[in-house]
Amino acid sequence: DAKTTQPPSMDCAEGRAANLPCNHSTISGNEYVYWYRQIHSQGPQYIIHGLKNNETNEMASLIITEDRKSSTLILPHATLRDTAVYYCIVKTGANNLFFGTGTRLTVIP
Amino acid sequence: GAVVSQHPSRVICKSGTSVKIECRSLDFQATTMFWYRQFPKKSLMLMATSNEGSKATYEQGVEKDKFLINHASLTLSTLTVTSAHPEDSSFYICSATPGKNYEQYFGPGTRLTVT
Repeated sequence: DAKTTQPPSMDCAEGRAANLPCNHSTISGNEYVYWYRQIHSQGPQYIIHGLKNNETNEMASLIITEDRKSSTLILPHATLRDTAVYYCIVKTGANNLFFGTGTRLTVIP
Repeated sequence: GAVVSQHPSRVICKSGTSVKIECRSLDFQATTMFWYRQFPKKSLMLMATSNEGSKATYEQGVEKDKFLINHASLTLSTLTVTSAHPEDSSFYICSATPGKNYEQYFGPGTRLTVT
């Protein structure tokens, strides 16, 4: 599976959009981009995934660049409960999830 | 979304004893379940993958005789930490999926402390 690079930490003001970047320059054509988050001392929570088109659900939007070498997870109106570690993972549908170090997002009141 | 439970949520045991952790998929049949461990301030590390009715596949460096995994039904997998030692103290998390092309749904985790 392709490796990903994420900033170790980010801050975001409450109510503002949180934009979390992820680089995956070695992604292959059949690999999806998955985003999970982990709130302290809980199991990870699935957020969203996509292949090449932008995706949106009730939690977030996923913007994937045309060359698929990077993506951005957008939380449109961050709340204090969005404070968590966010993991960007690329994998084929059939492969396992391997977690990197993620981005620690802190939402500030 | 799909619900995965773990029991117990916390357990303290003495060195040398064995501890069993259960992982259940509550509203779907899980053909595959996964076990992870997580040390403080570290990321999740995949330990093993188990498919219902077959032997688990362990990641490199994970001792299969120490971490016994049983996936006897489509809704239940168990992880038994045998002869636990203080260095086995960790946060153990399971996940389950209805199939390999679906998302993984994670349990809330079990915090094991070995004294």
